[in-house]
Amino acid sequence: KQEVTQIPAALSVPEGENLVLNCSFTDSAIYNLQWFRQDPGKGLTSLLLIQSSQREQTSGRLNASLDKSSGRSTLYIAASQPGDSATYLCAVRYGRGGTASKLTFGTGTRLQVTL
Amino acid sequence: DTEVTQTPKHLVMGMTNKKSLKCEQHMGHRAMYWYKQKAKKPPELMFVYSYEKLSINESVPSRFSPECPNSSLLNLHLHALQPEDSALYLCASSRDYLRIRTATNEKLFFGSGTQLSVL
Repeated sequence: KQEVTQIPAALSVPEGENLVLNCSFTDSAIYNLQWFRQDPGKGLTSLLLIQSSQREQTSGRLNASLDKSSGRSTLYIAASQPGDSATYLCAVRYGRGGTASKLTFGTGTRLQVTL
Repeated sequence: DTEVTQTPKHLVMGMTNKKSLKCEQHMGHRAMYWYKQKAKKPPELMFVYSYEKLSINESVPSRFSPECPNSSLLNLHLHALQPEDSALYLCASSRDYLRIRTATNEKLFFGSGTQLSVL
């Protein structure tokens, strides 16, 4: 079964701290991996997308890495701010060759950045 | 315009009501999706439309009926729902679904959702 796991489920850090969110997946035959942010009761915002051939992507204070051999991705947030407080979800699209499956979402990490 | 617009934002309905959720995008995307999300759970895929044709139905009960009248609009018709159907219903779009070899085609844009309560 193709699963996506995110640990920890919740994280609280003081403002200014650098932090890492983890995502693990069970099948290395992935097409790509996306990191999303979701505010309470709202839709998802795509933050970064890493293709299977890539090792990392960067956008501003965010850096996402991908290690297919170990089945892991990390989202690094530099100099965290209270506005970063949200739930962060990773989603994996599995597939081989020309076919790909639907996105499989992890259960998310609820991040709170305190003043 | 990189927005996916969903209406209404909130909906309360009885089990005998018929209602519809609406979703609209003007990014020229040819793939549109319905997801269901229960509290503190990840989104679950319900339907995928590709080029206005239903590509995926994730064994969703027939009381949920999707419709894609044109490439910009996606509806979800609701009838005889159960209280356990209460959830956040999210619409999303992407440039393409069948041809996803590029990051451009793959990136999903989500609407803000409709919070549905079934009494």
